[in-house]
Amino acid sequence: DTAVSQTPKYLVTQMGNDKSIKCEQNLGHDTMYWYKQDSKKFLKIMFSYNNKELIINETVPNRFSPKSPDKAHLNLHINSLELGDSAVYFCASSQVRGSQETQYFGPGTRLLVL
Amino acid sequence: KQEVTQIPAALSVPEGENLVLNCSFTDSAIYNLQWFRQDPGKGLTSLLLIQSSQREQTSGRLNASLDKSSGRSTLYIAASQPGDSATYLCATAAGYSTLTFGKGTMLLVSP
Repeated sequence: DTAVSQTPKYLVTQMGNDKSIKCEQNLGHDTMYWYKQDSKKFLKIMFSYNNKELIINETVPNRFSPKSPDKAHLNLHINSLELGDSAVYFCASSQVRGSQETQYFGPGTRLLVL
Repeated sequence: KQEVTQIPAALSVPEGENLVLNCSFTDSAIYNLQWFRQDPGKGLTSLLLIQSSQREQTSGRLNASLDKSSGRSTLYIAASQPGDSATYLCATAAGYSTLTFGKGTMLLVSP
């Protein structure tokens, strides 16, 4: 029944490792997003995909690479993890209906880089 | 570049009080404004969405207003309950897809 799901929920890893976070939505939405919430709880957009195509790419290190195998999935791969990558990463999705656009968020993936 | 500010950063009230959370934004060219709730260790839940042409939206004990020209929105919570304790986030949408968030107001309602 979960609308937007993310795996894993928690991720603890060493500096320099490569890791992936997966996101799936079962709402039939066309657009998916990745957000980063830092230690000060500030939530910022990282990427946005529409129908598997990248439409927004904020100033994010190219160690971060999103991949959308289909409309329902948007995965985030992070290379050469750094201490500053420790944060909570949220996936979200939305479907534009007229002028309404509510985004539905996943539960978040808490990443800790040691 | 849009900047969203929320005041206060934290608020503690006894149960039953009516309260107002404030949100201000620098760029009035917004598509809509949304209020979200975030519980500790959880994701965000959309509470209210106000389109740029609207002045307010209501859902149960929640009422959100929007004054686009002055760059302000308020979230009014009537008869607060302990279950309302959470962080409330305001976000503006500019055109297609982009949400800019404030840092949130952490609300604690004590029984």
